This record gives sequence, structure tokens and C-alpha cells, in this order.
Amino acid sequence: EVQLVESGGGLVKPGGSLRLSCAASGFTFSGAWMSWVRQAPGKGLEWVGRIKSNVLGGTTDYTTFLKGRFTISRDDSKTTVYLQMNSLETEDTAVYFCTAEQPCSGGSCSGTWGQGTLVTVSS
Amino acid sequence: EIVLTQSPGTLSLSPGERATLSCRASQSVGSNFLAWYQQKPGQAPRLLIHGASNRATGIPDRFSGGGSGTDFTLTINRLEPADFAVYYCHQYGTSSWAFGQGTKVEIK
Repeated sequence: EVQLVESGGGLVKPGGSLRLSCAASGFTFSGAWMSWVRQAPGKGLEWVGRIKSNVLGGTTDYTTFLKGRFTISRDDSKTTVYLQMNSLETEDTAVYFCTAEQPCSGGSCSGTWGQGTLVTVSS
Repeated sequence: EIVLTQSPGTLSLSPGERATLSCRASQSVGSNFLAWYQQKPGQAPRLLIHGASNRATGIPDRFSGGGSGTDFTLTINRLEPADFAVYYCHQYGTSSWAFGQGTKVEIK
């Protein structure tokens, strides 16, 4: 069974840092492209970024609104993808979902989603 | 960066009716790399449609997607109680993905 389990969420003060983890199982992680998507309370989905497989250099793409504060990395030996979040702002409060991409009609889109982990940024 | 605008914001329908949801892109979506997701309260989104019109694995044929370029639709025939949820369109054709703001399909 394909499974993604996020962890590391919690309460953090503005300006602080947090690292989220996403443990994957049930598929060949090393070849998978992984993404993070967030959802503020009562709001819509917002793409954060993605990391390609290490075979493709493990290159990353990020949404422009992050201004370099977030970094996505992966450890294929642990089948885990990470989201390092720095200089957190109250607007970063959200549930953060980890997703595994799949072939989608010639492209790659998010097929499997974790259950999400809540990050609350508040003083 | 492509911006996706969904309409209407809320659709109030009865079970058995047809729902038609719209998604308009600020510029053409390359290769029609447009997906639709369903999200229920407290759950993660579920992939319904990719490539504008291809159903994901296990999705019933009551769900259909159409359109190309900048205008896309999701149609849900014969609404069932489990279909009342929020639906998001999503473009994955560029290196900067985007989601629409969502359409809520609620029971009338």
C-alpha cells in the first residue's frame, strides 16, 4: 500500500524554524518526484514546491511567494522527504501535505497525498 | 505564472442533478496539463482527472473533464451524497504549479 506520513508540525513563534518530514512506503521512493502543498485554515490549496528524483539531480522548484525561506530535500536511504521552513510568518499557518507525483497524461501530478501536519505560527 | 480562476464559488444542487464546474487559466495550459481534485472536510485531496479529461484510477465515469487551452470544465453526472465536497483545478504544465481557489458543491 502506498503511504505517506507527515510529521514535525506544531506551534512555533514568528521568525522561528521548523522541519517537516514525510516518510514514504509502498513504492519506489528513489524514482519518485515529491511535492509539498499547504492549506491555511478554511482556505484553498497552495503549492509550496517539489523535488525531483536524485537520478535527475534532485532539482527543486518553489512557488515564488516563499522568497527563499523554505527548502525541500530528500534522503532516499530513509525514503523520506523534508521541508525546512525558516523565518516563519503567521501567514505560514497551515496544514502541510506531502504528495507523491505520478505520471499524468504525459506530465507529472500529485497522485498520493499524506494526511497532513498542522503548523501554527503564533506568538 | 499561471493563475487559475474557478467558478462558481459555490454550487447548490440536489442528489441526482448534474454539476458543471469551470476553471479558467490566465494563459494557455501547456499540453492540457490540467487536473481536478476532490476534497472532503478533514481529508486530503483526491485526484479525479488529469490531462484535462482522463479519469484517475478508480474514479467512476460519472466524473468527466473537458476543455483545452485556457478553459476547462469538470462535470459530475447524477450527483451522489458522497460527491458533495470542494473541487480544485490544478495546472502542472509549468515548473511553478498552481491551484484554483476551489468550488464547493453543497446539498441544496
